[in-house]
Amino acid sequence: DAGVIQSPRHEVTEMGQEVTLRCKPISGHNSLFWYRQTMMRGLELLIYFNNNVPIDDSGMPEDRFSAKMPNASFSTLKIQPSEPRDSAVYFCASSSQGGGTVNTEAFFGQGTRLTVV
Amino acid sequence: DQQVKQNSPSLSVQEGRISILNCDYTNSMFDYFLWYKKYPAEGPTFLISISSIKDKNEDGRFTVFLNKSAKHLSLHIVPSQPGDSAVYFCAASNQNFNKFYFGSGTKLNVKP
Repeated sequence: DAGVIQSPRHEVTEMGQEVTLRCKPISGHNSLFWYRQTMMRGLELLIYFNNNVPIDDSGMPEDRFSAKMPNASFSTLKIQPSEPRDSAVYFCASSSQGGGTVNTEAFFGQGTRLTVV
Repeated sequence: DQQVKQNSPSLSVQEGRISILNCDYTNSMFDYFLWYKKYPAEGPTFLISISSIKDKNEDGRFTVFLNKSAKHLSLHIVPSQPGDSAVYFCAASNQNFNKFYFGSGTKLNVKP
């Protein structure tokens, strides 16, 4: 498996523009996470999906942020309108909820570095 | 408020010596803890984990210790190697929700 695939790797956009980040999780994984990495707070969980359903979006900073998972192999994180303070690296991760009560680790994509100027 | 904290943003260690990275958490509902390693321009990769029913888990040069009463865990790397230089993230998970909370990371520099 190619692992979690994110696109684009780098995005530079002007303030006020819409930005869409994309993620393809590992096939067979049923949980998907969007994280934002900042210097101050490290990896912040923005939202996570289980079986394509958003379970917890309490980490989404503002209404300008939205995420969708239309099917098991694709998710998007959209920022509209974007602001300079949104500049960060955004990671997507996926995991499989194990049988019984066993958890498994999350596998991360390489991230999208977003710069809003 | 962050539920997982790594209070040391950086650590420098001589090659061959032990590296000790620390992590504290506040939520007693966490019962699964993980360490991730991250190189520049790459996503974090899983390193080692421990369940709350254990107090130690060892994998080669890496050992994770868990002190539930203190809500503290640590990662020991011995002997440290220059290739270990990276940012290490501590993470915690609640089994019920399969949700991972991360610390802010500690940048380890292993000097040759």
